[in-house]
Amino acid sequence: AQSVTQLDSHVSVSEGTPVLLRCNYSSSYSPSLFWYVQHPNKGLQLLLKYTSAATLVKGINGFEAEFKKSETSFHLTKPSAHMSDAAEYFCVVSVSNSGYSTLTFGKGTMLLVSP
Amino acid sequence: DTEVTQTPKHLVMGMTNKKSLKCEQHMGHRAMYWYKQKAKKPPELMFVYSYEKLSINESVPSRFSPECPNSSLLNLHLHALQPEDSALYLCASSQGWGAIRWQYFGPGTRLTVL
Repeated sequence: AQSVTQLDSHVSVSEGTPVLLRCNYSSSYSPSLFWYVQHPNKGLQLLLKYTSAATLVKGINGFEAEFKKSETSFHLTKPSAHMSDAAEYFCVVSVSNSGYSTLTFGKGTMLLVSP
Repeated sequence: DTEVTQTPKHLVMGMTNKKSLKCEQHMGHRAMYWYKQKAKKPPELMFVYSYEKLSINESVPSRFSPECPNSSLLNLHLHALQPEDSALYLCASSQGWGAIRWQYFGPGTRLTVL
């Protein structure tokens, strides 16, 4: 069985300061891990994906995540926050079934960015 | 083209109405999904179609009826809904094969049931 724990429901940062959103996972298999972002009243956009090719994964808009198997973590970082980064972020574990995939979502972290 | 489109963007309906939500993708994906998302919650899976066949129905009430007319289209027919069904309805698609299959999401339909 898979599970995802996002350790913070809200994170507040100032514009220009670093962002850290924390995620721990549990998976019976070698996991596929994603981060999705959702701006208010919008759909979910894939930010980045871990596919076992490299432990440091680069995504869109300057975000990165590092897969640490020993810590079962997949934390999301960005060196410098922009106002446009304010959104809900979901850490997700994916399992591939026959003909489709099943996503297990964390509860989400709301990122607040102040000027 | 990596886009999933959904229509309408907003829908207001009474409890006796019949309406449909539409989802379309042209990425050649063979798996399509319906999710329901309440405010400040992650999406909850409702249905999965794989190669145009219903693969998962997550114990969704029969007032929600999915349909997959072809590999690019996914519909969700709504009838006799309740106010608690008000939510953002998201459609997604993914490849039907391969070891790693991330899902592309549409912008959603905001449904309000009066």
